[in-house]
Amino acid sequence: GAGVSQTPSNKVTEKGKYVELRCDPISGHTALYWYRQSLGQGPEFLIYFQGTGAADDSGLPNDRFFAVRPEGSVSTLKIQRTERGDSAVYLCASSLTPSSGGTGELFFGEGSRLTVL
Amino acid sequence: DQQVKQNSPSLSVQEGRISILNCDYTNSMFDYFLWYKKYPAEGPTFLISISSIKDKNEDGRFTVFLNKSAKHLSLHIVPSQPGDSAVYFCAASGSISNYQLIWGAGTKLIIKP
Repeated sequence: GAGVSQTPSNKVTEKGKYVELRCDPISGHTALYWYRQSLGQGPEFLIYFQGTGAADDSGLPNDRFFAVRPEGSVSTLKIQRTERGDSAVYLCASSLTPSSGGTGELFFGEGSRLTVL
Repeated sequence: DQQVKQNSPSLSVQEGRISILNCDYTNSMFDYFLWYKKYPAEGPTFLISISSIKDKNEDGRFTVFLNKSAKHLSLHIVPSQPGDSAVYFCAASGSISNYQLIWGAGTKLIIKP
């Protein structure tokens, strides 16, 4: 498809389990972003990739969260020892260039809804 | 501490009338302000933006107004259409980390036929 693709769309897991969420950005977009949206709130920034490297991971809440983008395209957000408070929709977005993120040209996927029981 | 606030969780407007969605911010270093629209089960989609050096930006039925002294912006939709029913998010970014958007909690707009 032409848009940002995220899998799975829904994930239910038990507390303490490991979870991986995948994002396939728009082809040619060098910048990739992960956001987390909790119920009733706006998205919160987690991490930003420029190419293969994490240019800013200041939004990751703790060391249980980690993200990779080994070939500069697909990214995986990894959550270890999940907690109930991790339940949220995890949104991935991409943009053609990093600076365009600040001027609106972010393209979002539909999100992965994570529920930790 | 919320840097971007949308104080109205929901707004109901008659079709054909004007919809006005409001947003307040606290950080004077924000350079860009953006509005995103979100339908259920979809990701947010970009609607319109405004630079901090401007006070108005218009795109078809959508106009964003920025009042820097009041740290307030608003989105006007006129005339409102049923397809405008969605959640609208206000977001802001700074010049240093302009890739990082700070979001409000959203306002659910309902257009009544």
